Amino acid sequence: QSVLTQPPSVSAAPGRKVTISCSGSDSNIGNNYVSWYQQLPGAAPKLLIFDDNKRPSGIPDRFSGSKSGTSATLDITGLQTGDEADYYCATWDNSLNAVVFGGGTKLAVL
Amino acid sequence: QLQLQESGPGLVRPSETLSLTCTVSGGSIDSRSDYWGWIRQPPGKGLEWIGTIYYSGDTYSNPSLKSRLTMSVDTSTNQFSLHLRSMTAADTAVYYCARHPRGYYYYMDVWGKGTTVTVSS
Repeated sequence: QSVLTQPPSVSAAPGRKVTISCSGSDSNIGNNYVSWYQQLPGAAPKLLIFDDNKRPSGIPDRFSGSKSGTSATLDITGLQTGDEADYYCATWDNSLNAVVFGGGTKLAVL
Repeated sequence: QLQLQESGPGLVRPSETLSLTCTVSGGSIDSRSDYWGWIRQPPGKGLEWIGTIYYSGDTYSNPSLKSRLTMSVDTSTNQFSLHLRSMTAADTAVYYCARHPRGYYYYMDVWGKGTTVTVSS
């Protein structure tokens, strides 16, 4: 059971928008920055969002992150088939003294 | 361009110790701002943080693994290593190394490709 809760799967048609949620608590998301990672099939995770809403260079602005209280959200607009992947949120947990990840969300672009 | 590469045995016997090394290229492991982490992913499952080390040797470990985990860093070879004792089938996973560019409690921006470790007799 992951400390951060994500929906197991989401789906949407090409060109549409999808939202992936990540729910935590005051000991993690509520008081620490959230990052998001994309893991394409058979590949290593790739940083998409850091510090709640910042994009590393090279990440398209179709990907955006936000946070409110103890929940974070990853939005992907203009969906492409190449976006099909697993997405993970992560942050530090002050009670566990550990980096914690969400269970991951599989995105299907139908 | 910073790159990380994991190396180590693909097969470990139960009860033995796993030793993995991550080689850093295109940058220096003794950068004052960077921390170096290990993350694993069991087959078909999610990501789990194992631990992180600073060039000084300071370590930060997942409490669930701390009793079995040792990490080290070698600035002369630009490498850092993981040693996980008393391996069981539950430790079978892809093991990744990664960089935390600001601190052990922050994000990881550069990842290795991962190395598969199977625990089996």
